[in-house]
Amino acid sequence: DADVTQTPRNRITKTGKRIMLECSQTKGHDRMYWYRQDPGLGLQLIYYSFDVKDINKGEISDGYSVSRQAQAKFSLSLESAIPNQTALYFCATSDSRLARGNEQFFGPGTRLTVL
Amino acid sequence: RKEVEQDPGPFNVPEGATVAFNCTYSNSASQSFFWYRQDCRKEPKLLMSVYSSGNEDGRFTAQLNRASQYISLLIRDSKLSDSATYLCVVGYSTLTFGKGTMLLVSP
Repeated sequence: DADVTQTPRNRITKTGKRIMLECSQTKGHDRMYWYRQDPGLGLQLIYYSFDVKDINKGEISDGYSVSRQAQAKFSLSLESAIPNQTALYFCATSDSRLARGNEQFFGPGTRLTVL
Repeated sequence: RKEVEQDPGPFNVPEGATVAFNCTYSNSASQSFFWYRQDCRKEPKLLMSVYSSGNEDGRFTAQLNRASQYISLLIRDSKLSDSATYLCVVGYSTLTFGKGTMLLVSP
């Protein structure tokens, strides 16, 4: 099945470390997104990319950066991790060619803990 | 005003019950409307899109009122497996997710 995968699935790190979360998809979708989810809060958009040469900030991009290495790959970096970046991170994809092009498909998530 | 507002619940219902969730959104330019389901510590999964004319998928019925900026989800004949958090999602070029409404279906 075409899928969205995320690595690692779980990560514990220390304050100040650089961390990269990776997302790959085999759906052939052109659009990719990174979200974080904190307990009791909704999904918050960090960054999104509508194609390989397009990168856009979401509502909470401070402290994060992204790279769209190929249509199928979108990575999220925390340059210097801090404890309040402890959260569940989701990657998602969508296909602008579909009639319901905004429908998003999510990866399984990465649980990040910053000590 | 928050962009997408939902009652957090939890809604505790017995099997077989009918339950309704509501959602309001603030951006009148929104063009896309969805209900997603999220199980504990798992990724959100699309439950159904919501169309202006209303739409039904088995036991699930979704309604959209653009004038009132209001979306609803009706679940009939609740099953234990319906226990989850239901996310109201609204958007245009990107999507905005509500915090979700938790549903607990008991035997």
